[in-house]
Amino acid sequence: GQSLEQPSEVTAVEGAIVQINCTYQTSGFYGLSWYQQHDGGAPTFLSYNALDGLEETGRFSSFLSRSDSYGYLLLQELQMKDSASYFCAVRDKSGNTPLVFGKGTRLSVIA
Amino acid sequence: DVKVTQSSRYLVKRTGEKVFLECVQDMDHENMFWYRQDPGLGLRLIYFSYDVKMKEKGDIPEGYSVSREKKERFSLILESASTNQTSMYLCASSPPTGTGTQPQHFGDGTRLSIL
Repeated sequence: GQSLEQPSEVTAVEGAIVQINCTYQTSGFYGLSWYQQHDGGAPTFLSYNALDGLEETGRFSSFLSRSDSYGYLLLQELQMKDSASYFCAVRDKSGNTPLVFGKGTRLSVIA
Repeated sequence: DVKVTQSSRYLVKRTGEKVFLECVQDMDHENMFWYRQDPGLGLRLIYFSYDVKMKEKGDIPEGYSVSREKKERFSLILESASTNQTSMYLCASSPPTGTGTQPQHFGDGTRLSIL
């Protein structure tokens, strides 16, 4: 089977940096994705890592270490609007297969 | 921008009723998905479809069925609604993933209450 572990809740101060970790156990691995979901809203795609290393998109970065089955999402210069749930997701099979989502991390940004 | 539209934002039904949740996407995506989202459980895949008239079971298909008669439309059916099917239902679509990934585009969700 497959499983993804991420913290259920994280709290951080406005302007700070926060890291949301994700570890996975899957039979195969074809990339790690991150999605953001605001309360009452739809999940939206943030990033994708297929290879080891850091991918940066503005204030958000995502990191992957395939040897450690581990990745993280890094949010810099936190803003109140970053308060949301963040989901990591993996594809564990090649070809046209669905994502497997983690249970999500609820990030609260406080003043 | 990709638009995934779910027919209802909120829905209240009674136990034993047959319930239809509709989802339409406007980007000619091959892949469509139905998830349910419950607190603390994340997104759980119910069914998905890679083409018209094609369907595959996800992780929790029991009590549900789906229909994909047209490429743009993917319907979720609760054959005989039960209270444990009270949940947020999310539809998503994407192009074929191949060896990489394609972002899934989600609808705003249908909050379904079964009384």
